[in-house]
Amino acid sequence: QKEVEQNSGPLSVPEGAIASLNCTYSDRVSQSFFWYRQYSGKSPELIMSIYSNGDKEDGRFTAQLNKASQYVSLLIRDSQPSDSATYLCAVIGNQGGKLIFGQGTELSVKP
Amino acid sequence: NAGVTQTPKFQVLKTGQSMTLQCAQDMNHNSMYWYRQDPGMGLRLIYYSASEGTTDKGEVPNGYNVSRLNKREFSLRLESAAPSQTSVYFCASSEVRSGRFGTDTQYFGPGTRLTVL
Repeated sequence: QKEVEQNSGPLSVPEGAIASLNCTYSDRVSQSFFWYRQYSGKSPELIMSIYSNGDKEDGRFTAQLNKASQYVSLLIRDSQPSDSATYLCAVIGNQGGKLIFGQGTELSVKP
Repeated sequence: NAGVTQTPKFQVLKTGQSMTLQCAQDMNHNSMYWYRQDPGMGLRLIYYSASEGTTDKGEVPNGYNVSRLNKREFSLRLESAAPSQTSVYFCASSEVRSGRFGTDTQYFGPGTRLTVL
């Protein structure tokens, strides 16, 4: 089992819809969770971090964490074509605080 | 502020050749990292440096060496390149807050696209 798993997609949603991206992790002691966005040919950039159970909202983005289920998600409201990118879930593992990345989910927002 | 810079942007090597990828950050960050990214594999940590003068292996260190030259610079060396090292390489840095290593945001450089023939 991979330490951090995501559906590779592509996930296609119409403009204005809610995009839901999901991630599961295997290490129960993980404490820190991140969502990075990566446009094609570019480097990853952090869009959300979450450390506590529940929801965290930032503009159109909401991160949700459920440690009991070992599940973290990212919701993008009012999706725009400019949101089309690969979204990487990352978790601080139990090995000295290093980030462990999932393989990423490709999101396509259709006008 | 340039953030994290990497050189070169592109490189083609023949099997067995050596090269060094350079990374520098101007954010006064303590920690620096080298990742490789392959299709369908996400980002995998090669080596990291928690602070100046220290380096540690990540998930895929074989075939690589690193040097933390000073607080700003962290280089990655391929001594004898192999086709399996064809990848996109990203350098990243973060400010480590006391007692919470790894919780800070990692800032990534633009990447180096390496092809080994």
